Amino acid sequence: DAKTTQPNSMESNEEEPVHLPCNHSTISGTDYIHWYRQLPSQGPEYVIHGLTSNVNNRMASLAIAEDRKSSTLILHRATLRDAAVYYCILSVGNKLVFGSGTILRVKS
Amino acid sequence: NAGVTQTPKFQVLKTGQSMTLQCAQDMNHEYMSWYRQDPGMGLRLIHYSVGAGITDQGEVPNGYNVSRSTTEDFPLRLLSAAPSQTSVYFCASSKVFGTTETYEQYFGPGTRLTVT
Repeated sequence: DAKTTQPNSMESNEEEPVHLPCNHSTISGTDYIHWYRQLPSQGPEYVIHGLTSNVNNRMASLAIAEDRKSSTLILHRATLRDAAVYYCILSVGNKLVFGSGTILRVKS
Repeated sequence: NAGVTQTPKFQVLKTGQSMTLQCAQDMNHEYMSWYRQDPGMGLRLIHYSVGAGITDQGEVPNGYNVSRSTTEDFPLRLLSAAPSQTSVYFCASSKVFGTTETYEQYFGPGTRLTVT
């Protein structure tokens, strides 16, 4: 299974942009890159996904490197409600394989 | 839509007892799955289903059974509970993943299970 590598934790100031990196050097041509986040005591929540091109939605942007071996989730203006564990996941057929994620702390 | 619902929210079992965790979704999703999350770790896939009557094993299936008789429901059965099964269990649903497209998964609020 293709694996992802993320920093254990990151810290951001409120109202500032946050760039969460993810390395996936063994990604295959058909793997989608997904980002989910998990707020305390809740189930994971979908954030965004992409294949080759950069993607934007109301929650975030996903920047994918040209060789697809890394990607970055961008939160344009972090709020306290964005404090969560962020998971970068490569889809393997029908299954999502979660790693340990990045704990994002947001300071007011 | 209620989305994905799970019952119970909390459960305490003694070693050797059996029980069923319930999961239901009202989005007409074909794909449903069960994950467990141990403290400080990511989620691990237990079992999944791509439609009524079809189930398959995930990463950690031992000690758990599933069946899918309807599109809406996907119960998880613990056959003989062990302390190692103490965890938070999440159910999720989505449209069917394919090899050319993928869809977001919707997760339930979780069931916190303690086995003593």
